[in-house]
Amino acid sequence: DIQMTQSPSSLSASVGDRVTITCQASQDISNYLNWYQQKPGKAPKLLIYDASNLETGVPSRFSGSGSGTDFTFTISSLQPEDIATYYCQQYDNLPPGFGGGTKVEIK
Amino acid sequence: EVQLVESGGGLVQPGGSLRLSCAASGFTFSSYSMNWVRQAPGKGLEWVSYISSSSSTIYYADSVKGRFTISRDNAKNSLYLQMNSLRDEDTAVYYCARDYYDSSSLPTPFQHWGQGTLVIVSS
Repeated sequence: DIQMTQSPSSLSASVGDRVTITCQASQDISNYLNWYQQKPGKAPKLLIYDASNLETGVPSRFSGSGSGTDFTFTISSLQPEDIATYYCQQYDNLPPGFGGGTKVEIK
Repeated sequence: EVQLVESGGGLVQPGGSLRLSCAASGFTFSSYSMNWVRQAPGKGLEWVSYISSSSSTIYYADSVKGRFTISRDNAKNSLYLQMNSLRDEDTAVYYCARDYYDSSSLPTPFQHWGQGTLVIVSS
C-alpha cells in the first residue's frame, strides 16, 4: 500500500495568516492527489482534486500543488470558517489511502 | 442537488451483522461508481470498498475483505454494504461517497459524501 505522510498533524495560526500543509507519498503517484476538509461532526468535503484543481464553489484562497511524491496544500489567508481537519488522499493505486490529517486551529 | 443519505447503522454485538444503505438522488446514479469510507471515533478516514457503475468491478480494503459485501441497485438508486462477522475495530461512522468521474473502473476523487451512519460494535 502507498503510505501518505501528512505534516504537521496540527497547527495554530492567526486569521489572515498563510497556512501550508504538506503530504508525501511513499512512491510516485503522479498528480493523483486530493485534499479534503472535514469540520467537526460533518462529512469530508472535496476541496482540491488532481493535486491542483479547485473544486467548483471552493474559495480561491485554497490551493494545491505538487506531483510525484511531494504535495502542498495552502490557505492563502486563514479565515475563522477554515477551522477543520484537512486530509490528503491518493488514488493512483488501490487502496485509495488518506493521510493522517492536519487539524487547523485559530491562534 | 446531489444527495446521499445513509441509514442502517446502530449497535451490534461482536460477530453480528448489519446492512447499511445509501439512498442517492440528484444525479444519474447508474453512471457513477460509489464507495464506502469509514472513520473510527477520533481517527482518520479509511476507504472500505468500491463498486463500479454496473457492479462489474468491486474492491475491498484488506481489513474488511471476506466479511463485507458491497452492492447496488441502480433501479432503486441505492448502494448497500452488508457487514458480517463484525469486530470492535469496525466501530466507525460509515460514509457513502460518489466518485468524481463517471464510468470509472477505479476509485477517483470522492466528490460527494453522505452525512454518515454510526456503527457501534460492542458487547
